[in-house]
Amino acid sequence: KNEVEQSPQNLTAQEGEFITINCSYSVGISALHWLQQHPGGGIVSLFMLSSGKKKHGRLIATINIQEKHSSLHITASHPRDSAVYICAVFRSNTGNQFYFGTGTSLTVIP
Amino acid sequence: EPEVTQTPSHQVTQMGQEVILRCVPISNHLYFYWYRQILGQKVEFLVSFYNNEISEKSEIFDDQFSVERPDGSNFTLKIRSTKLEDSAMYFCASRSFNSYNEQFFGPGTRLTVL
Repeated sequence: KNEVEQSPQNLTAQEGEFITINCSYSVGISALHWLQQHPGGGIVSLFMLSSGKKKHGRLIATINIQEKHSSLHITASHPRDSAVYICAVFRSNTGNQFYFGTGTSLTVIP
Repeated sequence: EPEVTQTPSHQVTQMGQEVILRCVPISNHLYFYWYRQILGQKVEFLVSFYNNEISEKSEIFDDQFSVERPDGSNFTLKIRSTKLEDSAMYFCASRSFNSYNEQFFGPGTRLTVL
């Protein structure tokens, strides 16, 4: 069983659409990360959350600790947003490692 | 802005050969990590390293794998005798002492075992 589940696995949107990617986790965490992975493979950290909500440009990330759920929203999506978005949690009792979701592959069509 | 770097970006090797993947973490970071991502699969933790020793490792990190910090700047992952199933993207990450939850990832090394 995966500790971290993401949905949807694949998402295609028209340019300008509002996009939501969901992440649920089943373990106690000290923080949750949203990561972006472009076709070349490199990973970039978008957000680190332990509570509430964060916003950076057109990206918004929220987390509900009680429900063990986080969402990543992209407003006014653009083709350059096309990438794989990965949810990763830093578990409370392991100290040193991330557990990764399988990722959501987003394609934004012009 | 400081960043984690990895070399080479792509390594092709024959099965049974030894490979060394290199990482230069951010200079004031003290915790170092290796992750692996097989094509089409999720990223998986391999090993974490602190104070010149392994602090945690996963089941994937068997006797064929080793890590080393040979000098003050490099952090290496060695695979002694590569297998076809070692073909993957390998990511290095580092974090500072105070930033418990935040790791900075390198761009990855794509390893292809033929």
